[in-house]
Amino acid sequence: NAGVTQTPKFRVLKTGQSMTLLCAQDMNHEYMYWYRQDPGMGLRLIHYSVGEGTTAKGEVPDGYNVSRLKKQNFLLGLESAAPSQTSVYFCASTEGAFSEAFFGQGTRLTVV
Amino acid sequence: AQSVTQLGSHVSVSEGALVLLRCNYSSSVPPYLFWYVQYPNQGLQLLLKYTSAATLVKGINGFEAEFKKSETSFHLTKPSAHMSDAAEYFCAVTPRGYSTLTFGKGTMLLVSP
Repeated sequence: NAGVTQTPKFRVLKTGQSMTLLCAQDMNHEYMYWYRQDPGMGLRLIHYSVGEGTTAKGEVPDGYNVSRLKKQNFLLGLESAAPSQTSVYFCASTEGAFSEAFFGQGTRLTVV
Repeated sequence: AQSVTQLGSHVSVSEGALVLLRCNYSSSVPPYLFWYVQYPNQGLQLLLKYTSAATLVKGINGFEAEFKKSETSFHLTKPSAHMSDAAEYFCAVTPRGYSTLTFGKGTMLLVSP
């Protein structure tokens, strides 16, 4: 019973490089979310999706893009990484709008 | 925009003492309210949630929270702290009719022997 799986768990990027974070869930959830967690800031929503083929901007979307081509996967892309994007990224999924959110283990990204 | 405020970035208690973590929301219409816990180097997991069925909500690990509309609060309590309760706790809200979950900045609970 995997739940929500994030890949990779750790990554170091140089400024200007690009990368894609993968989130996969096996619970057939409609809603998926990408958050970033920074010390003292809590979790801030980057982008989210309410179903396959849909995406929407959250609180801090600049510098990120997302895609939800398959219901079980939600990809987060950084086209040109900046040091300000150094953070821990969490993916989450829910069955409905006010259901329990299930989180992945996080991806620790460092941009140098 | 809907927001949630957690009072105190750190709370320290002794083992066996009462735990009280504070959360206030800003909305004229009561939202859905949640408490999540995060242990070191892990993702978040749900402790409990309020969806208007009952004002006193019981969760896992002996935690409970009371919804008070007049105070726009949803404080988390536990009668007797255990060492294993040391973690970061997040209050979160989903406004009625919306599909996003907004988190507070978190409160780190420290438990001393």
